[in-house]
Amino acid sequence: EIVLTQSPGTLSLSPGERATLSCRASQSVSSNYLAWYQQKPGQAPRLLIYGASSRATGIPDRFSGSGSGTDFTLTISRLEPEDFAVYYCQQYGSSPRYTFGQGTKLEIK
Amino acid sequence: EVQLVESGGGLVKPGGSLRLSCAASGFTFSSYSINWVRQAPGKGLEWVAFISSSSSYIYYADSVKGRFTISRDNAKNSLYLQMNSLRAEDTAVYYCAREVWAQGGFQPNCDCWGQGTLVTVSS
Repeated sequence: EIVLTQSPGTLSLSPGERATLSCRASQSVSSNYLAWYQQKPGQAPRLLIYGASSRATGIPDRFSGSGSGTDFTLTISRLEPEDFAVYYCQQYGSSPRYTFGQGTKLEIK
Repeated sequence: EVQLVESGGGLVKPGGSLRLSCAASGFTFSSYSINWVRQAPGKGLEWVAFISSSSSYIYYADSVKGRFTISRDNAKNSLYLQMNSLRAEDTAVYYCAREVWAQGGFQPNCDCWGQGTLVTVSS
């Protein structure tokens, strides 16, 4: 089973700053199989990025994804107040079908 | 509007059973595979089960295999999760999530999620 490790656990930034979130896999993952989700308190996760770098429908272009192999990054270029949330990376595999990272909490500094 | 709505959660004693439902609307339910994903209180996301569009393929996480059964009724646009032999560690919000394969079928993701239903296993 591939394990995804996200860092940092908590990221404290101010609106307007740039956020860089990391997701590291225990073994190589196809870029096609890496996605990112945003979750706000009391809400369901929302798809942000799929295929490591493709934005989902309606996602602002301040969100971008990159990476390959074992290292993937979610970047938010200029933080808006509504961006403060928990972010999860997810990979598709054979068994289990999906695994998630433990999450990065992005909080207002 | 594409929508998934879960129901059926509640408080159940250890060893008990519960059946969750997920009602779909706004899309052709019978064309999509669906997953159940859960989230324990204050914890991260855990994939639980998968069912393909025609129920031909079904997969489970090891943590629920033999205790949970996923099924669907395409005529009713509904997905189910029968949960038996429940344990305290099954306490979580359970989400149903639609699976799509983007970019010509090479990039899987869960593009639509329900709001979740809370299952609490406690004596």
